[in-house]
Amino acid sequence: DTAVSQTPKYLVTQMGNDKSIKCEQNLGHDTMYWYKQDSKKFLKIMFSYNNKELIINETVPNRFSPKSPDKAHLNLHINSLELGDSAVYFCASSQSGGMSTDTQYFGPGTRLTVL
Amino acid sequence: GENVEQHPSTLSVQEGDSAVIKCTYSDSASNYFPWYKQELGKRPQLIIDIRSNVGEKKDQRIAVTLNKTAKHFSLHITETQPEDSAVYFCAATYNDYKLSFGAGTTVTVRA
Repeated sequence: DTAVSQTPKYLVTQMGNDKSIKCEQNLGHDTMYWYKQDSKKFLKIMFSYNNKELIINETVPNRFSPKSPDKAHLNLHINSLELGDSAVYFCASSQSGGMSTDTQYFGPGTRLTVL
Repeated sequence: GENVEQHPSTLSVQEGDSAVIKCTYSDSASNYFPWYKQELGKRPQLIIDIRSNVGEKKDQRIAVTLNKTAKHFSLHITETQPEDSAVYFCAATYNDYKLSFGAGTTVTVRA
């Protein structure tokens, strides 16, 4: 009965490869997010989706492409991986979004290491 | 956009003492201020939040205060215990599409 789950938990890959991270929430929430947490622990929003529609794209390189097949899933595909992409990526979800302010629930994170 | 500053970046306290973390925000439209705790290797988890229509909120040993005029809010942890050791993040938003986080405070509780 995990609320927000991500796979894989760890991802080690070579520069230039393409990889995907998957996220699923079983909370019935309408809004999902991707965050990047760098080595200094700073949490930065990357994308936000509401009911499968992209709401926020925070000046993320277009090598990053989120995809939401339905409102319970939000995947992140990264092309041509670079060393600077190494970080922990967190998925999150909240009930509604927009002008309401609901609690965001985070997934366990995916630690991406680019060699 | 919203800019949230958080201080101090590290905080070491003796077990049983209090810990205070302070945050300031820039956007006067922000009306929701959550605090997250992240233990080592774990996900951030909400510990308390406050909305702009109240000035203070308490939940057992933790409390949050908000000063809208000065645009700052604080987290207070009383009677600290070793399990309070973690990184704490403040955040602010006026809509939860875009939660802006502070840089985090690493709290160490010394036994």
